[in-house]
Amino acid sequence: SQTIHQWPATLVQPVGSPLSLECTVEGTSNPNLYWYRQAAGRGLQLLFYSVGIGQISSEVPQNLSASRPQDRQFILSSKKLLLSDSGFYLCAWRGIDYGYTFGSGTRLTVV
Amino acid sequence: AQTVTQSQPEMSVQEAETVTLSCTYDTSENNYYLFWYKQPPSRQMILVIRQEAYKQQNATENRFSVNFQKAAKSFSLKISDSQLGDTAMYFCAFSDPSSYNDMRFGAGTRLTVKP
Repeated sequence: SQTIHQWPATLVQPVGSPLSLECTVEGTSNPNLYWYRQAAGRGLQLLFYSVGIGQISSEVPQNLSASRPQDRQFILSSKKLLLSDSGFYLCAWRGIDYGYTFGSGTRLTVV
Repeated sequence: AQTVTQSQPEMSVQEAETVTLSCTYDTSENNYYLFWYKQPPSRQMILVIRQEAYKQQNATENRFSVNFQKAAKSFSLKISDSQLGDTAMYFCAFSDPSSYNDMRFGAGTRLTVKP
């Protein structure tokens, strides 16, 4: 069966520090992968999606970047975090039934 | 562009009663999928139910069922025999399978089940 892993679960980082969030998928190949951000009590904002290794599409210009170095690995990064980068980050992959399966999320607090 | 609208930011229901969450969407596509996701306080997004647009029969999953009205572009979620564990944020979502960037989410409805 397919599973998705996302880590870390919680992260507190100072302003100006780098960021790396990782997401991996098991049990499938060449998945479509997605990074979302969610502010407290709000909806989901699509940040990046990828349809294959090295293929990244950005939905929102911002302080973040994404990479897909391996088929089932999707990384969200920043060189210098801003206070506004705080939020809850979710990774997801699209199944053959077109539904999304989400990771457990990362709660990022920039201080 | 497809849009998904959830007009009820917050709702509450007494335990064991039934509640219906509303969702409308806008699309010119004929083939698409609709979903309801639940996000409990843990913030894990959990798929509740899925509906294929070409199927007229409404989807059901145990206590969860939908009322899919394709002509009206309406997709409501009914929760029967509400339980305390149903307390969560519920998101309606639309998926266009012809696009990689296909999923559109509503703003969510916060449901509280009261004992």
